[in-house]
Amino acid sequence: GAVVSQHPSRVICKSGTSVKIECRSLDFQATTMFWYRQFPKQSLMLMATSNEGSKATYEQGVEKDKFLINHASLTLSTLTVTSAHPEDSSFYICSVRGVAGEYEQYFGPGTRLTVT
Amino acid sequence: KQEVTQIPAALSVPEGENLVLNCSFTDSAIYNLQWFRQDPGKGLTSLLLIQSSQREQTSGRLNASLDKSSGRSTLYIAASQPGDSATYLCAATQGGSEKLVFGKGTKLTVNP
Repeated sequence: GAVVSQHPSRVICKSGTSVKIECRSLDFQATTMFWYRQFPKQSLMLMATSNEGSKATYEQGVEKDKFLINHASLTLSTLTVTSAHPEDSSFYICSVRGVAGEYEQYFGPGTRLTVT
Repeated sequence: KQEVTQIPAALSVPEGENLVLNCSFTDSAIYNLQWFRQDPGKGLTSLLLIQSSQREQTSGRLNASLDKSSGRSTLYIAASQPGDSATYLCAATQGGSEKLVFGKGTKLTVNP
């Protein structure tokens, strides 16, 4: 399966600032990546689908202007949380879609965001 | 809309016991169902993936079954060990798409 990394693993930022999280597919050309978030003691919720070279598709209730996604290459997708607030504090995880037709997803190690 | 439910929410067993974790889903038009393990504060480790056309998958002490008609999957762990302690997540694709819908997980504790 694909090896996926995320950077940073942890970040603390002040309210009102923006934070960028990177998701890299290290050994696989990923045309599609997914971004999830997980609040404490909750399950993962899909935020958006990131397609290389085109605009991301956001799930209902996720503000596209607040969570900016850029998938400029086959190995990198970035999620920028703009004007972060304490309620944005969460665990953000990306995944890479594997071989087309198999629909298996390979997950990164996650990024813990804390907004103070 | 796909909904995934996992029962029980938490389970504590003595070491060596065989156990079953349950997952149910509402939309049977899935591409696949995956079981993951998540350790506290960590990402997901994929355990088993069952394609829609399959009935079960096995890896070591783990066996996962899939019954689309009843909307159920089970994860069987044989001879449990303290190192198996983690939260186990079940995820099914949303009908007709590759999007994954996750259950809330079962927190497993295996006591030495």
